[in-house]
Amino acid sequence: DAMVIQNPRYQVTQFGKPVTLSCSQTLNHNVMYWYQQKSSQAPKLLFHYYDKDFNNEADTPDNFQSRRPNTSFCFLDIRSPGLGDAAMYLCATAGGPKNIQYFGAGTRLSVL
Amino acid sequence: QKEVEQDPGPLSVPEGAIVSLNCTYSNSAFQYFMWYRQYSRKGPELLMYTYSSGNKEDGRFTAQVDKSSKYISLFIRDSQPSDSATYLCAMSPNDYKLSFGAGTTVTVRA
Repeated sequence: DAMVIQNPRYQVTQFGKPVTLSCSQTLNHNVMYWYQQKSSQAPKLLFHYYDKDFNNEADTPDNFQSRRPNTSFCFLDIRSPGLGDAAMYLCATAGGPKNIQYFGAGTRLSVL
Repeated sequence: QKEVEQDPGPLSVPEGAIVSLNCTYSNSAFQYFMWYRQYSRKGPELLMYTYSSGNKEDGRFTAQVDKSSKYISLFIRDSQPSDSATYLCAMSPNDYKLSFGAGTTVTVRA
């Protein structure tokens, strides 16, 4: 059973058109993360939440925003996608004694 | 210099061979070391988790950490075609914020 669910799996948007990616979890973990992964590159942390506390990475562009309305859900908003934002976006959660990160299957974003 | 360096490969081996993967790192504060496996167009899944230096074995997989050399390894014995994937090393000083390597793509030929 999927524990971290990302929707949609594939998203196509137009240059400059806002897009929202969603993530839900059934693990009841405190921490949720958003990563950007481009082809053959390491996942790059964009931001994370510890409960409702939002933590932005210093180099995350202002174009990227996030919301976490409750424990189970987290959203990634890209306000004005550029061609360089085409990537796989991964959501992860962490909790338990070892704080292991569990990843969703990702959303592959294409920008036309 | 990247915080975590990982040879991207690709690596192609025949079925049954031993696969050897490794990462080096620069941050001496790293204490938690992980290997994730990522199949094509899927999210990473945790394969091995190690705290501090030493070896850990789980079935056909062995993880080694040498903190003095800032070097970690993953060995896959008796490799199978189903092991074909990208393997990402990851590490952290505090077990909740990870630094990843770029991943090594492995193909096991039947």
